[in-house]
Amino acid sequence: GENVEQHPSTLSVQEGDSAVIKCTYSDSASNYFPWYKQELGKRPQLIIDIRSNVGEKKDQRIAVTLNKTAKHFSLHITETQPEDSAVYFCAASIGSSNTGKLIFGQGTTLQVKP
Amino acid sequence: GAVVSQHPSWVICKSGTSVKIECRSLDFQATTMFWYRQFPKQSLMLMATSNEGSKATYEQGVEKDKFLINHASLTLSTLTVTSAHPEDSSFYICSAIPPSSGRNEQFFGPGTRLTVL
Repeated sequence: GENVEQHPSTLSVQEGDSAVIKCTYSDSASNYFPWYKQELGKRPQLIIDIRSNVGEKKDQRIAVTLNKTAKHFSLHITETQPEDSAVYFCAASIGSSNTGKLIFGQGTTLQVKP
Repeated sequence: GAVVSQHPSWVICKSGTSVKIECRSLDFQATTMFWYRQFPKQSLMLMATSNEGSKATYEQGVEKDKFLINHASLTLSTLTVTSAHPEDSSFYICSAIPPSSGRNEQFFGPGTRLTVL
């Protein structure tokens, strides 16, 4: 079945450094790739998303890249701040995005040390 | 922005009882809502797709007779955990997609922490 692999499971960086989280997906029909940030006990919050017709998208300190051929997509956070510490999940649409269904990666716990 | 609420935020119940969790879209109508389960330090696992006016679609391995889903209106879906057992203790989160978004962006509720004693 469909699968999304996310690495690393934990990531610790110094404040100001960059953080990169990578995901691979198995369903070649997937065409929508969101990234969510979840703080402990809270709801996931969308931080950025990308569709398959775009290779890269940037929003201030956050960027996402997509390589459809390799079925890879990555989250890049620059100039990290302590408040970036959280669990980050990538996701991919199951098949085309018409159903709205998503499959999530395993999550990455990001710790930004002051 | 689109707001999704859940009630209750947490519940503790005895083994064998049933618990109902409500998911509401506050400022939009949602023909489709999703129910997820999240165990500690794990990812979100899709349980089912809740369809307004029709039966829910359950993911493989999810018992539909145990996790009853009702989507009676365009703003409310309910998940009832029947005959709950300690292994059902988890964080249950719903989400919905505003029909106007055109982006398939899912908005999540705040989650319900279920503890079964």
